Amino acid sequence: AQSVTQLDSQVPVFEEAPVELRCNYSSSVSVYLFWYVQYPNQGLQLLLKYLSGSTLVKGINGFEAEFNKSQTSFHLRKPSVHISDTAEYFCAVYNQGAQKLVFGQGTRLTINP
Amino acid sequence: DTGVSQNPRHKITKRGQNVTFRCDPISEHNRLYWYRQTLGQGPEFLTYFQNEAQLEKSRLLSDRFSAERPKGSFSTLEIQRTEQGDSAMYLCASSLQGGNTGELFFGEGSRLTVL
Repeated sequence: AQSVTQLDSQVPVFEEAPVELRCNYSSSVSVYLFWYVQYPNQGLQLLLKYLSGSTLVKGINGFEAEFNKSQTSFHLRKPSVHISDTAEYFCAVYNQGAQKLVFGQGTRLTINP
Repeated sequence: DTGVSQNPRHKITKRGQNVTFRCDPISEHNRLYWYRQTLGQGPEFLTYFQNEAQLEKSRLLSDRFSAERPKGSFSTLEIQRTEQGDSAMYLCASSLQGGNTGELFFGEGSRLTVL
């Protein structure tokens, strides 16, 4: 069975500071990895995805993530955050056998001015 | 905009009542998923359809829950005899089976409050 662990439930940072949201997954087969963002009272929006190829993936809003197979991690980073990045961020894993996305419990990113 | 549409967006009901949520996926998407999200948690898989066939149901989906996708287009999720523990955001998502990369497109969700 697959699982996703987001190591921090809340991350407070100051505006324009860098941020890293951590994600580890477990799976015995090849996986596809995703980060979604959820703004208050809204659905989930795709930030970026890793399917294959380069392990550094760039997404929307200046976010990027690095796939590390040996550490089974897919950490999300942004070099300089803005107030508008305040949201809940979810890491998710998909494999073709399970045919569904499994989500982590989420990380709440709070940006302080 | 031809994204995933869900309604109602909010539903407040009394314990014991039945509720139904509707999801209209992106038109060319043949897969449709339902997830449940409680406060402070990530979305949890409930069930999914490929066209009109319901291919998998989670153990979270008790006998009081039923989902349908009668013509392979829109889907409904009905909860009978609601309980306070059913209070949650119900998310619908759709995807293309042919692509099979796992990328799901989500609707805005239907928030259920059971009093």
